[in-house]
Amino acid sequence: SQQGEEDPQALSIQEGENATMNCSYKTSINNLQWYRQNSGRGLVHLILIRSNEREKHSGRLRVTLDTSKKSSSLLITASRAADTASYFCATDEGSRLTFGEGTQLTVNP
Amino acid sequence: DTEVTQTPKHLVMGMTNKKSLKCEQHMGHRAMYWYKQKAKKPPELMFVYSYEKLSINESVPSRFSPECPNSSLLNLHLHALQPEDSALYLCASSEAPSGNNGYTFGSGTRLTVV
Repeated sequence: SQQGEEDPQALSIQEGENATMNCSYKTSINNLQWYRQNSGRGLVHLILIRSNEREKHSGRLRVTLDTSKKSSSLLITASRAADTASYFCATDEGSRLTFGEGTQLTVNP
Repeated sequence: DTEVTQTPKHLVMGMTNKKSLKCEQHMGHRAMYWYKQKAKKPPELMFVYSYEKLSINESVPSRFSPECPNSSLLNLHLHALQPEDSALYLCASSEAPSGNNGYTFGSGTRLTVV
């Protein structure tokens, strides 16, 4: 069974705009990770936030984590057409990485 | 080397065939994983190997048989599959015991069972 739910399921924006994706989960976690998947290819690890952290930045990515609400968000700033992909949150419960349903992001040139 | 290499990239097999998927990493990671992903769905965990020992089997049917010959290699042996087993099979690795630096995924094997 899947751990989390993500919203929106699909997001379409213009190049240069910001994109925000949300993730909710159900159980206690060690950390929460975000991955990107281009169509039909492998997943690329974007960023990891530990359960005792609240916010983390990496380049144009900003991730927040609220363990009291069991939720996380991923913000991509100044989006580019190359950011078009599926984005998944994943919770690490110790050797078991469980993925949310994902958000399909389309960035229009 | 910071990659996980999966072979073959594509595989078509009949329901009576026996085939194997292969996965290799040289990052010194001690945990390796098999995931199955159907179209427009998230990856689902199948197996976890930690220090070359099977630590998690997510109730996967016996027609899927994993093998970890050494710390760099992970195989998935396939036998008597069904058409509904057609999917993208992803291998991943991480530093054991938990992926505190994230997981590294291969590009996957796209399997079609006919």
